[in-house]
Amino acid sequence: DIQMTQSPSTLSASVGDRVTITCRASQSISSWLAWYQQKPGKAPKLLIYEASSLESGVPSRFSGSASGTEFTLTISSLQPDDFATYYCQQYDSYTWTFGQGTKVEIK
Amino acid sequence: QLQLQESGPGLVKPSETLSLTCTVSGGSISSSSYHWGWIRQPPGKGLEWIGSIYYGGSTYYSPSLKSRVTISVDTSKNQFSLNLSSVTAADTAVYYCAMVRGGAGRYWGQGTLVTVSS
Repeated sequence: DIQMTQSPSTLSASVGDRVTITCRASQSISSWLAWYQQKPGKAPKLLIYEASSLESGVPSRFSGSASGTEFTLTISSLQPDDFATYYCQQYDSYTWTFGQGTKVEIK
Repeated sequence: QLQLQESGPGLVKPSETLSLTCTVSGGSISSSSYHWGWIRQPPGKGLEWIGSIYYGGSTYYSPSLKSRVTISVDTSKNQFSLNLSSVTAADTAVYYCAMVRGGAGRYWGQGTLVTVSS
């Protein structure tokens, strides 16, 4: 099974900060990685798919990148609506694995 | 716009089978463009993939749940379903259904809490 190691587990930041969240896959997954945002009591919302493609309607301050088995979600300028929990998810051979999640808190 | 809605019992007894249905509106469940999945989230914890069903009926399940899970599609009702047998308290979670495309969950239901308790 492919494992996804996401870091950090918690991140304290201020409005306007540049924020970076990382996921590392235990083996190659090509670009089959997605990022989601989840707010309390709500379903996850897709932000990025195929490592770097922005889902329709998602603000351009969100971006994704990949380098080998390391994947990064960047929020260029944190906004009040961005305080939430973020998850990565890999897709390989029709199976999924999620990262443990990163909670972005107000500093 | 595709919409998904989970339904089913909110309380299941230990050792029994958890059965949930996801009703799809705004699109056909038979479309070759869409695939369908179930994901769950125990209270206060992270997301866990349960399994997916693809156009043509192929199913793929989490290795840790594979022996207890069945996902099926009812095209006449535009629904897909989850059965999870021999449940324990560890199966208490919010269960989400999702439309899958390109390996990602594009549209999600609002989620339904299922509690396993006698």
